[in-house]
Amino acid sequence: NAGVMQNPRHLVRRRGQEARLRCSPMKGHSHVYWYRQLPEEGLKFMVYLQKENIIDESGMPKERFSAEFPKEGPSILRIQQVVRGDSAAYFCASSPGRGLSYEQYFGPGTRLTVT
Amino acid sequence: ILNVEQSPQSLHVQEGDSTNFTCSFPSSNFYALHWYRWETAKSPEALFVMTLNGDEKKKGRISATLNTKEGYSYLYIKGSQPEDSATYLCASSGDNYGQNFVFGPGTRLSVLP
Repeated sequence: NAGVMQNPRHLVRRRGQEARLRCSPMKGHSHVYWYRQLPEEGLKFMVYLQKENIIDESGMPKERFSAEFPKEGPSILRIQQVVRGDSAAYFCASSPGRGLSYEQYFGPGTRLTVT
Repeated sequence: ILNVEQSPQSLHVQEGDSTNFTCSFPSSNFYALHWYRWETAKSPEALFVMTLNGDEKKKGRISATLNTKEGYSYLYIKGSQPEDSATYLCASSGDNYGQNFVFGPGTRLSVLP
C-alpha cells in the first residue's frame, strides 16, 4: 500500500518561472491538504481540496498560487512567476474523510529553491 | 487565528526514561487536535487525532490526553528509546476545515543511549 507520493522531491526554478508540484494521495483517499514550511518556520496550512473541489483555500496567497485536484490524476500546486520568497518545503497530506477529525498522511515534501 | 504553543522546545532524556510534553491551544474555539512525530529528513507521521474533552489515546509506548476546557494536551512516552528521537508536533483547529488548523513549533526530543 503505497503512501502519499510527491514529485519532484527537489525543484529549482529561476525567478519568474512556473513551479508545478504534484501530490498523489494514498489509495482510497479523496482529500488532500497542502502545507508550506518556510525556512526556520513551522508548517502552515495553504489549501484543502476534495476531488474536483476546493474546500478551503484561505491559507494560499491570492496571487500566483493555485491548486487543483482533478477527478483523475494527482493534486497539483502551481506557483506562477516564482520569487525568492517562495523557496520553501511544500508538503501535501491525504486523508480518508472530510475534515479534521481524520488523520492526515504526509508525503515526503517538495523542496523548491528559487534562484 | 489560533496560537498553538508547545513546551519544552527541546528535551534530552536517557534511554529508558519516561517523558511528557505539552501542547497548549485556545480553549474558546476547539474542534480537533492532532499529534505528529517528525523525524529528520522524513515526513510527519500521524500519531493521534483527538476531538473530545477527556480523550485518551495510546499507541504502543506513546499516549496522549486532551483537556479542551483548559486548552491543553499532553503527550507521554514511556521507556524512551533512541528511535523515539524526533520532533513532536501538535496542531489544533477551531473548525472542520483548514483555515484555523495551526501547527505548534514542536518539541524536539533526543533520547541518549
